[in-house]
Amino acid sequence: DAGITQSPRHKVTETGTPVTLRCHQTENHRYMYWYRQDPGHGLRLIHYSYGVKDTDKGEVSDGYSVSRSKTEDFLLTLESATSSQTSVYFCAISETGTAQGTQYFGPGTRLLVL
Amino acid sequence: QKEVEQNSGPLSVPEGAIASLNCTYSDRGSQSFFWYRQYSGKSPELIMFIYSNGDKEDGRFTAQLNKASQYVSLLIRDSQPSDSATYLCAVQPGGGADGLTFGKGTHLIIQP
Repeated sequence: DAGITQSPRHKVTETGTPVTLRCHQTENHRYMYWYRQDPGHGLRLIHYSYGVKDTDKGEVSDGYSVSRSKTEDFLLTLESATSSQTSVYFCAISETGTAQGTQYFGPGTRLLVL
Repeated sequence: QKEVEQNSGPLSVPEGAIASLNCTYSDRGSQSFFWYRQYSGKSPELIMFIYSNGDKEDGRFTAQLNKASQYVSLLIRDSQPSDSATYLCAVQPGGGADGLTFGKGTHLIIQP
């Protein structure tokens, strides 16, 4: 498995609370991604990063922010969690961002917003 | 809106038979195509990728790509009960670092 860890693996929080999820990689890959997976929607891209301090929005970025201060860490923050953000969150990494860049996924974080 | 379509299934196949999974995509400029397998409660695991028209074989798996028809398929030969999972088709737009666009997945059941 690619050296990707996510923390926490499970979290229960309350509406309106800020939440930060961490993705850590040991592969020194340049590209990192955050996806969410929901029944009936499949995996959807939230944000991605193409280098330290270089990030961009994905398909479902509203309500989320990201930061990448080191190559190995990509943080996803829910500024004020809502029940609609209850989901499974996956981080992915890619060595290249070109058309041939294969993405490898971390183990996921299950988030429940009450 | 870039879309990737898959039959959600479940697709039930007898053990030892060939399982055929299909995927269509809307973005004609897509360049890279991936198949991931996902067991319940686990993360997606890469099975195969394909970039060029035609077939690509890896063990019991064959990916097929037809860009003119905007169609990707995955064949699993000699299906085993351990192949029972959800298979995700993913498409990457041409160039750049954009993330993958995923289909909703096909649930495959291999019957012993």
